[in-house]
Amino acid sequence: GAGVSQSPSNKVTEKGKDVELRCDPISGHTALYWYRQSLGQGLEFLIYFQGNSAPDKSGLPSDRFSAERTGGSVSTLTIQRTQQEDSAVYLCASSFEGGFEAFFGQGTRLTVV
Amino acid sequence: GEDVEQSLFLSVREGDSSVINCTYTDSSSTYLYWYKQEPGAGLQLLTYIFSNMDMKQDQRLTVLLNKKDKHLSLRIADTQTGDSAIYFCAEIAGNYGQNFVFGPGTRLSVLP
Repeated sequence: GAGVSQSPSNKVTEKGKDVELRCDPISGHTALYWYRQSLGQGLEFLIYFQGNSAPDKSGLPSDRFSAERTGGSVSTLTIQRTQQEDSAVYLCASSFEGGFEAFFGQGTRLTVV
Repeated sequence: GEDVEQSLFLSVREGDSSVINCTYTDSSSTYLYWYKQEPGAGLQLLTYIFSNMDMKQDQRLTVLLNKKDKHLSLRIADTQTGDSAIYFCAEIAGNYGQNFVFGPGTRLSVLP
C-alpha cells in the first residue's frame, strides 16, 4: 500500500480481555516498530523488527505484551488480560533497513473499560 | 540511557516565526528528526538532519544542529494556524541504530 496501515483504528475492550492490533507496513520496508503513546505522554518504544533478525523486545512493559511479524511483513501486537493502564494509542512505523526515514501509521486507539 | 528533552508548550502569533528546541544525550546519534502530529492523527515526518550537518532548510522549515551542545532546533517561518500540532524531536539510538528515541513533544499553538 501507499502508507503504513493499522487496524482497527479504534478498539474498546473490557478489562481482562485479550486484544490484537495489526500493522501492515510499507511494501519493501524491512524494519517495523511499535510505539505506545499514552494520553498527554510522549512516545514509548515497545518493540522493533528488522528482517530475519531476532526482534528487540526491550521496550515491552510486561509479559502480557507480545508481537510477531509473519513473513517479514504484517505485524500483530497482542496484549493479554488487558488493564486500564494499557489504554493508549499504539503506533506502528516502518522503514528501510537502517531506519533513517520511518513512516508512521495512523495508530490504533485502545480503550480498556 | 538515551534521553531527548523538549519544552512542552509554545504559543506564537500567526505570521511570526516559531522556534522549537530539543536537547539529546546520545552523541553517537547519526540522524535527528522532527515529526509533526496533528490532533487524532499519526506522526508525519517533517524533516531530518544528518549529524555532520549544521543546518538544513526546506521551504518554511529550518533545522539547526549544534552537535557540541547536543541541541537541535526547528524554526517555522511565517507560522500558520495549520501549523498547530505537537512536534516531536527524535534521535536514532541503540547498538544498531534501530530504535528511535522521542522527546515528549512540544505543543505549538498558533494564535490568530
